[in-house]
Amino acid sequence: RKEVEQDPGPFNVPEGATVAFNCTYSNSASQSFFWYRQDCRKEPKLLMSVYSSGNEDGRFTAQLNRASQYISLLIRDSKLSDSATYLCVVTRGDTDKLIFGTGTRLQVFP
Amino acid sequence: DGGITQSPKYLFRKEGQNVTLSCEQNLNHDAMYWYRQDPGQGLRLIYYSQIVNDFQKGDIAEGYSVSREKKESFPLTVTSAQKNPTAFYLCATDDRTGYNQPQHFGDGTRLSIL
Repeated sequence: RKEVEQDPGPFNVPEGATVAFNCTYSNSASQSFFWYRQDCRKEPKLLMSVYSSGNEDGRFTAQLNRASQYISLLIRDSKLSDSATYLCVVTRGDTDKLIFGTGTRLQVFP
Repeated sequence: DGGITQSPKYLFRKEGQNVTLSCEQNLNHDAMYWYRQDPGQGLRLIYYSQIVNDFQKGDIAEGYSVSREKKESFPLTVTSAQKNPTAFYLCATDDRTGYNQPQHFGDGTRLSIL
């Protein structure tokens, strides 16, 4: 089993749609969780950290379910500029090393 | 402008040649990391350094070497022993002062074999 698993997509959605990505992780000792965004042929950029109580940043909402070991990202009112690959990232157990998922590709169309 | 600078943006390596990728940061971060990204795969950790003059192997260190003589700099050498070096190389840093600190990336170097 992979340490971090994501649906590779692509998710093709119209502008204004709501889209949700899920990610599962294998190590129950993982402590920190993040969503990164990566545009084609660019570096990953931090989208948001994920906190135990869930957190929101504008149109983006992240949730963590420790019991089931999954993380979700919800994007509301999708924009064309949201088109990118979204990477789920968790720490390897209780270390500081990060494990990156392979990413879920989102394509928003007009 | 503060940040992480990687150079060069594109690099070509001949067979049997060692090449060095540069990573410089002015964020005053203690920890620095090197990853490689291949198509369809997640980032994989090559080496990391949590403090000057100390570094540790990551998951795929074979064929690579690093140094950390200054806090600001963490160069990566891809040696001739690395048989499949074509990839996107990313340098990252983080601030070790708090819990749940994310990593921030430079804009990467694309390495190809001639």
